[in-house]
Amino acid sequence: SQKIEQNSEALNIQEGKTATLTCNYTNYSPAYLQWYRQDPGRGPVFLLLIRENEKEKRKERLKVTFDTTLKQSLFHITASQPADSATYLCALLNTGTASKLTFGTGTRLQVTL
Amino acid sequence: EPEVTQTPSHQVTQMGQEVILRCVPISNHLYFYWYRQILGQKVEFLVSFYNNEISEKSEIFDDQFSVERPDGSNFTLKIRSTKLEDSAMYFCASRLSGSGYNEQFFGPGTRLTVL
Repeated sequence: SQKIEQNSEALNIQEGKTATLTCNYTNYSPAYLQWYRQDPGRGPVFLLLIRENEKEKRKERLKVTFDTTLKQSLFHITASQPADSATYLCALLNTGTASKLTFGTGTRLQVTL
Repeated sequence: EPEVTQTPSHQVTQMGQEVILRCVPISNHLYFYWYRQILGQKVEFLVSFYNNEISEKSEIFDDQFSVERPDGSNFTLKIRSTKLEDSAMYFCASRLSGSGYNEQFFGPGTRLTVL
């Protein structure tokens, strides 16, 4: 069966360090993989998208890698800040007209001073 | 900046009652979605809607659920006879047309509590 796993339910790091979150999937052949941020009681907010033929994508302090051989994506936040504390969701995009998102369970990141 | 809006923010209903959750997608978007998130669980796809019809639906989206775009701006989710297990956050999302526009914009959600 198809599975998306975000290996850490929670991750605690110190301000200024790099946070690395992992997303693994099985029995998928996604064309795209997306990362979203979700704050408590709010809807997901899009951060980055990476295509199957891309190895790496960057946006400001964020970096995403995509390894279709390992079936894994890594999400990095450099120079982390307390404001980065949130739940980060990995989502696979199925090809097809409607492009529904299939989400992982998320990793709750806590950045402390 | 344009955003997806949802009303109400919180809906409390009795089991067996009908509820309608409302969404106003971003005005030039053409694809619309409903997702739900049971407390402590992952966000789950319910249904997608394009060109005035359902494009895809999940196993969760059974005969008790329906969607409608009654006018040019609103997109609604109706649950005909609510069950306790329908209690969740319901998120509406929309996106532009075309394969390059895969970012989905989510609304703030409606918290549905079924008693």
